[in-house]
Amino acid sequence: EAQVTQNPRYLITVTGKKLTVTCSQNMNHEYMSWYRQDPGLGLRQIYYSMNVEVTDKGDVPEGYKVSRKEKRNFPLILESPSPNQTSLYFCASSARQGASEAFFGQGTRLTVV
Amino acid sequence: DQQVKQNSPSLSVQEGRISILNCDYTNSMFDYFLWYKKYPAEGPTFLISISSIKDKNEDGRFTVFLNKSAKHLSLHIVPSQPGDSAVYFCAASEGYHFGNEKLTFGTGTRLTIIP
Repeated sequence: EAQVTQNPRYLITVTGKKLTVTCSQNMNHEYMSWYRQDPGLGLRQIYYSMNVEVTDKGDVPEGYKVSRKEKRNFPLILESPSPNQTSLYFCASSARQGASEAFFGQGTRLTVV
Repeated sequence: DQQVKQNSPSLSVQEGRISILNCDYTNSMFDYFLWYKKYPAEGPTFLISISSIKDKNEDGRFTVFLNKSAKHLSLHIVPSQPGDSAVYFCAASEGYHFGNEKLTFGTGTRLTIIP
């Protein structure tokens, strides 16, 4: 089954404690990205990757890092989480066909206290 | 600056009637448009798309209309069913002609179908 898998689904952490949210896709997609969803703001892109070892900033990259060492994995790293990073996070992947649908993971609800 | 706008945060429609969700955009470079549906505690799922070379695309009960001159698209669901109750996101990209896969999303419209 084609899918994008995120872990964990729920996470409560304290300010400043480094965390990683994992994302893995089994569709051999080249393009992967991270979004955050906040009330009244829709989904905003944090970072994206067009292929292995190629990453770039999206619209709201501050406070986040990513890496793409393998095609299937695209972890999101918060080196020093702050309360304003409390949000619902989604990982997505798509084939680089110029115009294609993105497949989304089930989401990670992060609370930073 | 919100490049994709969904001005109706919520919409209620009687079961069996037509649901019309609207979306406006400002970036004239957008050439590929998508609608996603999202249930609580799940990720968005793709519903239907349209490229800028078309003005209508139909898939079963779902039809998307694109008016490029007005920079407006709409999603029609007919007939509406209780399972259609969800949040609907409009998204746009420059993917069709320019190969830019980045999606820019609207803020979503919560559709409630009343039995």
